[in-house]
Amino acid sequence: EDQVTQSPEALRLQEGESSSLNCSYTVSGLRGLFWYRQDPGKGPEFLFTLYSAGEEKEKERLKATLTKKESFLHITAPKPEDSATYLCAVQDLSGGYNKLIFGAGTRLAVHP
Amino acid sequence: GAVVSQHPSWVICKSGTSVKIECRSLDFQATTMFWYRQFPKQSLMLMATSNEGSKATYEQGVEKDKFLINHASLTLSTLTVTSAHPEDSSFYICSARPREAFFGQGTRLTVV
Repeated sequence: EDQVTQSPEALRLQEGESSSLNCSYTVSGLRGLFWYRQDPGKGPEFLFTLYSAGEEKEKERLKATLTKKESFLHITAPKPEDSATYLCAVQDLSGGYNKLIFGAGTRLAVHP
Repeated sequence: GAVVSQHPSWVICKSGTSVKIECRSLDFQATTMFWYRQFPKQSLMLMATSNEGSKATYEQGVEKDKFLINHASLTLSTLTVTSAHPEDSSFYICSARPREAFFGQGTRLTVV
């Protein structure tokens, strides 16, 4: 059964304090791994898609990396506006409808 | 810009009544749409997959007679929560294939 586990559940950082969020997954065949940012009361905002081990993508202070078993979302010198819940999802090659399976998310709070 | 639009953004209904939520794909045709539900401080769970012109496919544990899905056109899918109860209060979010990585803004349903 496909599984996605994110850690930590919650993370509190001081402004400028870099850190990483983890997403470990178990799928029969990975089609893609997705990272999202979600603000309260809003739909998930797409950040990155990673398709193969070794792939990296960057956007402003965020950098996502992928291995065969997990993905990391690195946040460099975060700002208070980076506070949000970060969701990871996988898309299984074996699924007929390409549905996304989500992790529980990491709630990030960045304090000035 | 947004690729999927939901309406309404929020709705309050009385227990026992039905409520309809719309999901529209913007600027593209969606043969498949996905409906997710998110409870407070929890992640997104796929409820059902709707296919234009055919019956929806429901995930295990989701009552198909309670959550009616209609995908009557290539740009519109509707989710009707029938005989709503307070436990149906949740955040409902959709996405549309082939751009299934992008989500609508969500609909907050509160049943009182």
